[in-house]
Amino acid sequence: EVQLLESGGGLVQPGGSLRLSCAASGFTFSNFAMSWVRQAPGKGLEWVSGLSSSGGGTFYAESVKGRFTISRDNSKNTLYLEMNSLRAEDTAVYFCAKDRDSGYYQGVFDYWGQGTVVAVSS
Amino acid sequence: EIVLTQSPATLSLSPGERATLSCRASQSVSRYLAWYQQKPGQAPRLLIYDASNRATGIPARFSGSGSGTDFTLTISSLEPEDFAVYYCQQRSNWPPFTFGPGTKVEIK
Repeated sequence: EVQLLESGGGLVQPGGSLRLSCAASGFTFSNFAMSWVRQAPGKGLEWVSGLSSSGGGTFYAESVKGRFTISRDNSKNTLYLEMNSLRAEDTAVYFCAKDRDSGYYQGVFDYWGQGTVVAVSS
Repeated sequence: EIVLTQSPATLSLSPGERATLSCRASQSVSRYLAWYQQKPGQAPRLLIYDASNRATGIPARFSGSGSGTDFTLTISSLEPEDFAVYYCQQRSNWPPFTFGPGTKVEIK
């Protein structure tokens, strides 16, 4: 059974930093591209970042480019999102999501974690 | 960036009725469109990918159609568990992958 478990969320002041983790199990993690998608309170879904199965290709939404860094450790089956210079508008539930097909990054998200809450406030 | 619009914003129907949800793209996305279902407090669930392919384990009452800029998600006969918010998402031109604002299907 595929499982994705996010952690690392919390309350942080504007300008602060957080590191999110997503522990994966139930599939060959190193074969699949992975993504982070967020949802602000009462709002819709916003793709934040993604990376290829090897980690060699990384992609970001303009709203987070230069502030967030996505990475993965295939030996630990874990996806990360390093978030710096956090703003109030980054407040959201952050989901990690698995690509449906192995190989290149396709952007069909077939499994999602339950999310971790990030709140940016003074 | 490709903008997706969904209509209606809210659909009020009774169990057993047919639901028809629309998603329109600001430019052609070919058939690279997916649909997700989200219930309160839960993660989204993939229903349909590439316009008309049902994801693993998705009941046959869910179907998708369309290409180019206009897409439809149809639920042939609403079950109680189908009342939720539905999002469309394109993967034709990225980054970014973009989602529509959602359609809420509520019980009438």
